[in-house]
Amino acid sequence: NAGVTQTPKFQVLKTGQSMTLQCAQDMNHEYMSWYRQDPGMGLRLIHYSVGAGITDQGEVPNGYNVSRSTTEDFPLRLLSAAPSQTSVYFCASSYRDRGNEQFFGPGTRLTVL
Amino acid sequence: AQSVTQLGSHVSVSEGALVLLRCNYSSSVPPYLFWYVQYPNQGLQLLLKYTSAATLVKGINGFEAEFKKSETSFHLTKPSAHMSDAAEYFCAVSEGARQAGTALIFGKGTTLSVSS
Repeated sequence: NAGVTQTPKFQVLKTGQSMTLQCAQDMNHEYMSWYRQDPGMGLRLIHYSVGAGITDQGEVPNGYNVSRSTTEDFPLRLLSAAPSQTSVYFCASSYRDRGNEQFFGPGTRLTVL
Repeated sequence: AQSVTQLGSHVSVSEGALVLLRCNYSSSVPPYLFWYVQYPNQGLQLLLKYTSAATLVKGINGFEAEFKKSETSFHLTKPSAHMSDAAEYFCAVSEGARQAGTALIFGKGTTLSVSS
């Protein structure tokens, strides 16, 4: 199993550009989520999904869109990038029960100029 | 609302010394608690979790944590630090009130440095 994969690993954008961060998992997990990590802030939840076709907002959803058309994929879209979105983005997946371990991808380091 | 507080953003120990990383939580429902470790330029890896079974939880790499309801704490310990333990450690609580039930609320993290 590849686990949770994320592409790209690094990305530099200009303010106003759009892009999609890709996330895929091969563990047949129902639950997938996106977090951003900023220095001294820990990880904060952006969006999450409990299954194909179902998504919901987390703590910091503004400026991001998600969709879940398949169990395996959960892309994160930046509609119009802003310098405040410079961060490291992590995708995670797990079985739905709240006691289950979340498996994290290796992260995408995004810089918005 | 659930929250996590990690006391001390940076902890330094000598190799062979006791490691103690502090975590306090706030939760209106019985909590599920987790400790994750992040090595430089990597994702997060689960160290251990508490899910209402035994209050003393043993994890990987010799770490353990004790759930104390009366103190709302879940401190992480290791009897003898190794150089390879240098990393950032995150405490997290499962936001069980949500439909998903698995969204995690993270503390701000504690960076552990180990000197020889």
